[in-house]
Amino acid sequence: QKEVEQNSGPLSVPEGAIASLNCTYSDRGSQSFFWYRQYSGKSPELIMSIYSNGDKEDGRFTAQLNKASQYVSLLIRDSQPSDSATYLCAVKDTGGFKTIFGAGTRLFVKA
Amino acid sequence: DAGVTQSPTHLIKTRGQQVTLRCSPISGHKSVSWYQQVLGQGPQFIFQYYEKEERGRGNFPDRFSARQFPNYSSELNVNALLLGDSALYLCASSSGQAQETQYFGPGTRLLVL
Repeated sequence: QKEVEQNSGPLSVPEGAIASLNCTYSDRGSQSFFWYRQYSGKSPELIMSIYSNGDKEDGRFTAQLNKASQYVSLLIRDSQPSDSATYLCAVKDTGGFKTIFGAGTRLFVKA
Repeated sequence: DAGVTQSPTHLIKTRGQQVTLRCSPISGHKSVSWYQQVLGQGPQFIFQYYEKEERGRGNFPDRFSARQFPNYSSELNVNALLLGDSALYLCASSSGQAQETQYFGPGTRLLVL
């Protein structure tokens, strides 16, 4: 059973701080990794995708991938109350068509 | 451009009934995937369709079925509804290439009483 594991949280950080979200996956053949944000009662919205080892930055968000350790993370700099949501880590399986999601990490940013 | 659309937005059914959910992908996208999201969990993969053919199936019973039409829209059917089928059903659209990003619709919230 291919799995994606996330700390369910909740993770609470003060406004302006860095939030660090982590994810591990079991399928060594996975090549594509995604972070989605989901507000309560809404559908997931894509934040970032990452395919190569290392860091990828987009505004206040940085995704980090280490395929050897089967680990992917998301850093949110200058966290805002509007960042309070559940963050879903998603991994494509070896075939590249099936996406496996973690259970999500709930983030609270305190004003 | 319109994003992924789903209908209906909400639905209430009773046990044993059947339900059909609908999805239209982003214009130009040829692949649709269906997910079930139970409260407190991540989305669980049900099906992926590409060019009207099933390309993947998750670990769901045969009560769940789907199809894709020539215009790439899709329907998800669930027969003999159980209380445990209550969930948010999500449709995701992509062009169909391996490893690519999927974009989600707003979802259909199904409640089975």
